[in-house]
Amino acid sequence: AQRVTQPEKLLSVFKGAPVELKCNYSYSGSPELFWYVQYSRQRLQLLLRHISRESIKGFTADLNKGETSFHLKKPFAQEEDSAMYYCALYNFNKFYFGSGTKLNVKP
Amino acid sequence: DAGITQSPRYKITETGRQVTLMCHQTWSHSYMFWYRQDLGHGLRLIYYSAAADITDKGEVPDGYVVSRSKTENFPLTLESATRSQTSVYFCASRDGGNSGANVLTFGAGSRLTVL
Repeated sequence: AQRVTQPEKLLSVFKGAPVELKCNYSYSGSPELFWYVQYSRQRLQLLLRHISRESIKGFTADLNKGETSFHLKKPFAQEEDSAMYYCALYNFNKFYFGSGTKLNVKP
Repeated sequence: DAGITQSPRYKITETGRQVTLMCHQTWSHSYMFWYRQDLGHGLRLIYYSAAADITDKGEVPDGYVVSRSKTENFPLTLESATRSQTSVYFCASRDGGNSGANVLTFGAGSRLTVL
């Protein structure tokens, strides 16, 4: 069965520090993975997808099939990055989400 | 995005009452989903629908009923609300085309409290 694990409930970093939000998945096939973000008082929205290999707002995420991971990284965190981040896996028309990591970027 | 709206945004009800949360989307997306968001559990899929009159269970369907008589609407009903159903409920939709995007678009959420 597919599963998405985000081991950190809360991650606090100082502005300008690097940040890495961890995501591990269990899935037997070729996964399609996403990061979604929920800023305060805003809707959940897509941040990035692994298939597009893009960088959004300075964030990148690389799919590592050997380690079954899809960690989200940013070299220099900004205060406006403070939000709830969800890793998600798509399989057969359904999206499975992790438990989320709250990122707090301190000034 | 005004394309997907949920109502009510806030609801307080009592144990045993029936509650219906509404979801409406204007894009004619094929797929619609209901998730609940709880601390420590993240987002869990309750039900989803691939098209009008086609629905299927997600991870946590017990205690919930859905219907989809029209493509644009996907109501979620709690037939007899329990305290464990206190949560924030999110509706989402996805285009069923072959664009390869597989991107979910979410509503603003409905916060339900069951006393």
